[in-house]
Amino acid sequence: AQTVTQSQPEMSVQEAETVTLSCTYDTSENNYYLFWYKQPPSRQMILVIRQEAYKQQNATENRFSVNFQKAAKSFSLKISDSQLGDTAMYFCAFMRQNYGGATNKLIFGTGTLLAVQP
Amino acid sequence: GAGVSQSPRYKVAKRGQDVALRCDPISGHVSLFWYQQALGQGPEFLTYFQNEAQLDKSGLPSDRFFAERPEGSVSTLKIQRTQQEDSAVYLCASSLGFGRGSPEAFFGQGTRLTVV
Repeated sequence: AQTVTQSQPEMSVQEAETVTLSCTYDTSENNYYLFWYKQPPSRQMILVIRQEAYKQQNATENRFSVNFQKAAKSFSLKISDSQLGDTAMYFCAFMRQNYGGATNKLIFGTGTLLAVQP
Repeated sequence: GAGVSQSPRYKVAKRGQDVALRCDPISGHVSLFWYQQALGQGPEFLTYFQNEAQLDKSGLPSDRFFAERPEGSVSTLKIQRTQQEDSAVYLCASSLGFGRGSPEAFFGQGTRLTVV
């Protein structure tokens, strides 16, 4: 079974600074996807960034980038130039690659509450 | 529609009451998922539909939970004889489906169920 671990329940960062959120996972699969989702108080899960396990290059989306270490099963999220609107819960999630019959459900960590201070 | 829509956004039920939660996925999305999110936790998988077929219901916590998607679009999650431990946010997500592009799941805003 796959598991996802986020060891930082809460983080705080000053506006305009950089913060890194940690995530580790455990799986015996070789092909899978990793995601970071943001959940603001409105409760809607919003995709921040996605990484395919077969890609060695780390994914980037504007101010958001990941450090994907497949051998170490580590997938951290770096937020640069933090903004007040980045304040939210951040969830790391794992999805096995779907071969047609399997459920491509997301397995989530417990989340990290990020507070961006003015 | 433009996004995944869930209703109601809030539901208060008396213990023992039956509830029905609705999810309207993005048009054309084949895959539909239900998740349960307890306070302070990450979402946990409940069940999965591919079109109208319920292919995985391994996450449903008891036989009081029932989900359907009869025409392959709108889905309903029903909870019978609600208990206090059912209090949670119920999230619905949809995606294009296997072999149809990005595996990304799009989420609705959830229904917060409180059982009193």
